[in-house]
Amino acid sequence: QSVLTQPPSVSAAPGQKVTISCSGSSSNIGNNYVSWYHHLPGTAPKLLIYDNNKRPSGIPDRFSGSKSGTSATLGITGLQTGDEADYYCETWDSSLSVAVFGGGTKLTVL
Amino acid sequence: EVQLAESGGGLVQPGGSLRLSCAASGFALRSYGMNWVRRAPGKGLEWLAYISFGSTNIFYADSVKDRFTISRDNAENSLFLQMNSLRVEDTAVYYCARGPLWYFDYWGQGTLVTVSS
Repeated sequence: QSVLTQPPSVSAAPGQKVTISCSGSSSNIGNNYVSWYHHLPGTAPKLLIYDNNKRPSGIPDRFSGSKSGTSATLGITGLQTGDEADYYCETWDSSLSVAVFGGGTKLTVL
Repeated sequence: EVQLAESGGGLVQPGGSLRLSCAASGFALRSYGMNWVRRAPGKGLEWLAYISFGSTNIFYADSVKDRFTISRDNAENSLFLQMNSLRVEDTAVYYCARGPLWYFDYWGQGTLVTVSS
């Protein structure tokens, strides 16, 4: 059981918008940067968002990140079937002195 | 182009050992912190260990502390994970990832470790 809580699954139609939440505490999200990843088993995970809301070069602006208090949110607009994957939030936990991932959210584009 | 390539995975019996390697190219490994992350079948991503660019700071997840050891050879642009006392639940794809702990910007393709009798 992760210290970061994500919904197990979300779904939406192509072209629509979806948000994925990540809930933590003051020892992790509340006082540290959050990052987000896309992962399909058998491939390398991909960084989508770092430092709460920054996009690496090459990541389209359809992907956005935000943080408020002890929660963070990943937003994806203009959904495409190719966006189907598992999505993870991640941060540093200052109390535990470990990096932590959320449990992951499976995105289905209907 | 930044590339990370893991090797050393395979089948090992419970209680056995394996040493994973990660070859870095396209950047100066000596300038970056590095991590190991795994994904077990049916489970999510799990961070395992971090080593700072000069090896002065090292952190481990509780699940592998005292069994796994992370190390690096900056001259050889290589990262390592020595895994001892392996358990069935250590079966996973193991990834090396570049980053400072609060994000990982480049990942390898992974190497499969199977612990089974």
